[in-house]
Amino acid sequence: DIVMTQSPLSLPVTPGEPASISCRSSQSLLHSNGYNYLNWYLHKPGQSPHVLIYLASNRASGVPDRFSGSGSGTNFTLKISRVEAEDVGVYYCMQTLQTYTFGQGTKLDIK
Amino acid sequence: QVQLQQWGAGLLKPSETLSLTCAVYGGSFSTYYWSWIRLSPGKGLEWIGEINHSGTTKYNPSLKSRVTISVDTSKNQFSLKLMSVTAADTAVYYCAREMAIGLAYFFDQWGQGTLVTVSS
Repeated sequence: DIVMTQSPLSLPVTPGEPASISCRSSQSLLHSNGYNYLNWYLHKPGQSPHVLIYLASNRASGVPDRFSGSGSGTNFTLKISRVEAEDVGVYYCMQTLQTYTFGQGTKLDIK
Repeated sequence: QVQLQQWGAGLLKPSETLSLTCAVYGGSFSTYYWSWIRLSPGKGLEWIGEINHSGTTKYNPSLKSRVTISVDTSKNQFSLKLMSVTAADTAVYYCAREMAIGLAYFFDQWGQGTLVTVSS
């Protein structure tokens, strides 16, 4: 299995400030077609998870542009340019190159 | 607007079989793959397996020996059975739609989640 490792596991952020979450994979997620098979999800309290980013850097429909994804190979980053109160929750990276696996989650809360 | 509504028993004893069903309302059922995913305190999010309208399945190797996912296209429903449950199977179980955009695959619609507790 491809192991996904996120850091930090806990991320307190002041509203209006930026935030960054790292995700590393035990194997490269870069396919020969040039795409990185890496998604980001947000699980808000009391809701089901929803997708933020697919193929490492593509925002899903309806996702605010303050969210951005970057990276290639085994190192990926999710950035929030200015955190808002509604962004609290647990963020997960997930690879779809092989049997799907998720990172352990990063809990973002407001300072 | 697609909605996924799931149901099933929430309290099981060790060795029993977990059984959940997910109904899909709105949108096309035959165009997509449909997955089961669980969230547990110990393991986080774990993909269990998927099925399409033809009944083609794919399972997580770690659970494959105990899992069966089936489909009922006449009702736009798919189901999960997990045999011989233990406390380690205690989790919130989600059904989800797998969207394919070009070469990208991601879960774009989720059920509301069902808490399944395994306890003697």
